[in-house]
Amino acid sequence: DAKTTQPPSMDCAEGRAANLPCNHSTISGNEYVYWYRQIHSQGPQYIIHGLKNNETNEMASLIITEDRKSSTLILPHATLRDTAVYYCIVRPFRGNAGNMLTFGGGTRLMVKP
Amino acid sequence: GAGVSQSPSNKVTEKGKDVELRCDPISGHTALYWYRQSLGQGLEFLIYFQGNSAPDKSGLPSDRFSAERTGGSVSTLTIQRTQQEDSAVYLCASSLGQGTGGYTFGSGTRLTVV
Repeated sequence: DAKTTQPPSMDCAEGRAANLPCNHSTISGNEYVYWYRQIHSQGPQYIIHGLKNNETNEMASLIITEDRKSSTLILPHATLRDTAVYYCIVRPFRGNAGNMLTFGGGTRLMVKP
Repeated sequence: GAGVSQSPSNKVTEKGKDVELRCDPISGHTALYWYRQSLGQGLEFLIYFQGNSAPDKSGLPSDRFSAERTGGSVSTLTIQRTQQEDSAVYLCASSLGQGTGGYTFGSGTRLTVV
């Protein structure tokens, strides 16, 4: 699986947009970009995923560069409850075969009042 | 159920004892995954079940670890002759196994070996 690179930590002011970058320069054509987060003492939570188009849902937006070598997760109005470790993962789509996710170190986002 | 359920939520056991951890996936999810997370560390893949296929056991750290999934639903992770280094949070996740949807994780079982 392609590896990802994320900054180990970031701070964000409450109410501001949090922009979390991820590099995945070796991503291949059938690999999707997934984002999960893990709030302290909880299991990871799925946020969003995409292939090449930008995606938006009720939690966040995902911006993928045209060459797909990097992406940015955007939390438009960060709250204190968004403080968590955010994981960027690339995963191939293999139809019914599925595939396990490989978690890296992630980015520890601290939202400050 | 509405989510992935794991039991027990906490388990303290003596070194050398066997433990069983249970995972109830979301109904209809054909894929089930076990991970563990040691204190302050990232998630470590253990084992993966997909439908009736042979499980992917490539992440199991030793032969003391085993897992079963009965009837394509409930899964049990067994650790024999527990060691202190087995202390961790054991997380279970399930997914549809098809398409590109994400996993849903349970809240985990915190295992402490004393």
